Amino acid sequence: DGGITQSPKYLFRKEGQNVTLSCEQNLNHDAMYWYRQDPGQGLRLIYYSQIVNDFQKGDIAEGYSVSREKKESFPLTVTSAQKNPTAFYLCASSIGQGRYEQYFGPGTRLTVT
Amino acid sequence: DQQVKQNSPSLSVQEGRISILNCDYTNSMFDYFLWYKKYPAEGPTFLISISSIKDKNEDGRFTVFLNKSAKHLSLHIVPSQPGDSAVYFCAASRGGEYGNKLVFGAGTILRVKS
Repeated sequence: DGGITQSPKYLFRKEGQNVTLSCEQNLNHDAMYWYRQDPGQGLRLIYYSQIVNDFQKGDIAEGYSVSREKKESFPLTVTSAQKNPTAFYLCASSIGQGRYEQYFGPGTRLTVT
Repeated sequence: DQQVKQNSPSLSVQEGRISILNCDYTNSMFDYFLWYKKYPAEGPTFLISISSIKDKNEDGRFTVFLNKSAKHLSLHIVPSQPGDSAVYFCAASRGGEYGNKLVFGAGTILRVKS
C-alpha cells in the first residue's frame, strides 16, 4: 500500500525543547513538503524539497529545520526558536516533473506547553 | 497578502442539492488550480484540478469551473451527500519553477444536511 506516514499522531513537548516530526513516503515521489495549519487558516508552507539533499524555505521557515538525506524521508525539526509551535503539521509529496498535485499524510498535532 | 481567498467561511446545503464553493485569486501568474477536501484531524485529500487553458473540468459529482478574466474558480458538487461535509480548500500554483509550490485559501466548511 503506497502512501505517506507521519508519526506520531499527537506529540506533547515542553517549551524550550526541540522536537522532530517524522514523514515517510513510499510513493517514489521526488518532491516533499511541510505545512502547518492553525485554526481558521489555510495551509502555510514551511519547507519543501524537490530532490534529495536539496530543500528550500517556504513562507514561514523561521524556527524550523529540515533534512532530505533519503528520497523517502523528510523530517521536520521544530526548534525552541519557533515562537508559536503549537499547531497541526502536515507533510505532503508530489511526483514533480510538471505535476502539481500534492498528496498529504495524516498529520501530527504538536502541543507545546 | 492573501493571494487565494475563500470568502465564505461556511456553507450549509440540503442533501441532494448542489453545493457551490467559491475561490478568488489575485495573482494572474497562477496557471493551475486544485481543490482539496479535509476532515478534522486528517490530511487533505486531493479532489480535482484544472489548468488555466481550460474553463471546466469534471470528475463524477465534482466539477470545477475557472473564469480567468474574473480570477475566480468554483467547485460544484452535485448531488451533495452527508459524507461531503468537510472543509474544502482551493489552491493555486504558478507552474514552471514555482510548480511545486501551492498557495492555499483559508478553506470553506461545507455542511450537508440530511
